[in-house]
Amino acid sequence: EVQLVESGGGLVQPGGSLRLSCAASGFTFSSYSMNWVRQAPGKGLEWVSYISSSSSTIYYADSVKGRFTISRDNAKNSLYLQMNSLRDEDTAVYYCAREEWSGLYYFDYWGQGTLVTVSS
Amino acid sequence: SYELTQPPSVSVSPGQTARITCSGDALPKKYAYWYQQKSGQAPVLVIYEDSKRPSGIPERFSGSSSGTMATLTISGAQVEDEADYYCYSTDSSALRVFGGGTKLTVL
Repeated sequence: EVQLVESGGGLVQPGGSLRLSCAASGFTFSSYSMNWVRQAPGKGLEWVSYISSSSSTIYYADSVKGRFTISRDNAKNSLYLQMNSLRDEDTAVYYCAREEWSGLYYFDYWGQGTLVTVSS
Repeated sequence: SYELTQPPSVSVSPGQTARITCSGDALPKKYAYWYQQKSGQAPVLVIYEDSKRPSGIPERFSGSSSGTMATLTISGAQVEDEADYYCYSTDSSALRVFGGGTKLTVL
């Protein structure tokens, strides 16, 4: 059974940093591209970042470019999101999502999310 | 930046057909996908490649696409279908994009 479990969320002050982790199991992690998607309270889904299976290709949404860094450790079956210079508007539930291809890249499995609150 | 536009809300009575639309300039060339998100839960894929249904998704869920508009149809909507629905696709640069979401009320 595919499982994605996020951790690392919490309360942080504006300008602070936080590192999210996503532990993957039930599939060959090193064969799949992965993403982070977030959802601000009461708002819609927002794609944040993508990393290919070998880490050779990385994309970011404009809203986080230059502040967030996605990475992965295939030996540990883990995905990470280093978040720096955090802003109030980064407050959200952050989901890690596995990417699959069927006509287009899409997300087939999601974790349950971890809440990040940016507030003074 | 690329946008997918959905109506904020749709309301139907149980047993009626609910239709949720998603418009985007790239949809004539890109597939649309639909996710269902119930309160406090992670999203679940209900339609992929415009009209295909993943295993385990009830037959009342269907999808279609024509021109710049994709449509999610729930035939005979049930109370348990009440949720937020998001369309998803990519732009010409393969950046991932979600629509703003549609709250479906069934009552």
